Amino acid sequence: QKEVEQNSGPLSVPEGAIASLNCTYSDRGSQSFFWYRQYSGKSPELIMSIYSNGDKEDGRFTAQLNKASQYVSLLIRDSQPSDSATYLCALRPKAAGNKLTFGGGTRVLVKP
Amino acid sequence: DAGITQSPRYKITETGRQVTLMCHQTWSHSYMFWYRQDLGHGLRLIYYSAAADITDKGEVPDGYVVSRSKTENFPLTLESATRSQTSVYFCASQKQGVLEAFFGQGTRLTVV
Repeated sequence: QKEVEQNSGPLSVPEGAIASLNCTYSDRGSQSFFWYRQYSGKSPELIMSIYSNGDKEDGRFTAQLNKASQYVSLLIRDSQPSDSATYLCALRPKAAGNKLTFGGGTRVLVKP
Repeated sequence: DAGITQSPRYKITETGRQVTLMCHQTWSHSYMFWYRQDLGHGLRLIYYSAAADITDKGEVPDGYVVSRSKTENFPLTLESATRSQTSVYFCASQKQGVLEAFFGQGTRLTVV
């Protein structure tokens, strides 16, 4: 089992709809979770971080964390063509110190 | 505010040659990381550093060497490049006490 699992996609979403991305992880001791957005040919860009169970909202983005079920999700409301990118889930396993472990990413395509 | 910069952005080298990828950050962040990104494998940690003169192996360190004589620089050296090291390499940095990590723009390395 991979430490961080994501559906590779592509997730096709009509413009204006909600995109829902999921990430599951295996290390129950993981404490901090991140979502990075990566445009094709570019570097990962941090868009959300979440550390406690529940929801965290930032503009059109909402991160959701459920440590008991070991998943973290990202919702993108009012999806725009500019949201078309690969979204990487990352976390710090308990024994890993400051090292980040990444999922393989979910490719999102927002169609006008 | 230059942030974190990598050089070169693109590099083609021959099998067996030594090549060094540079990473420089202006934030005085304590932690620095080198990742490689390959299709099907996502981002994998090669080496990381907690401070000047402190480095440690990540998930895929074989064939790579790092050094960190100054806080702001974290060069990655491929001692004898192999075709399997063809990849996109990302450097990242993180401030001590802060959980978010930030990435440089990447170096696309091709070994022929």
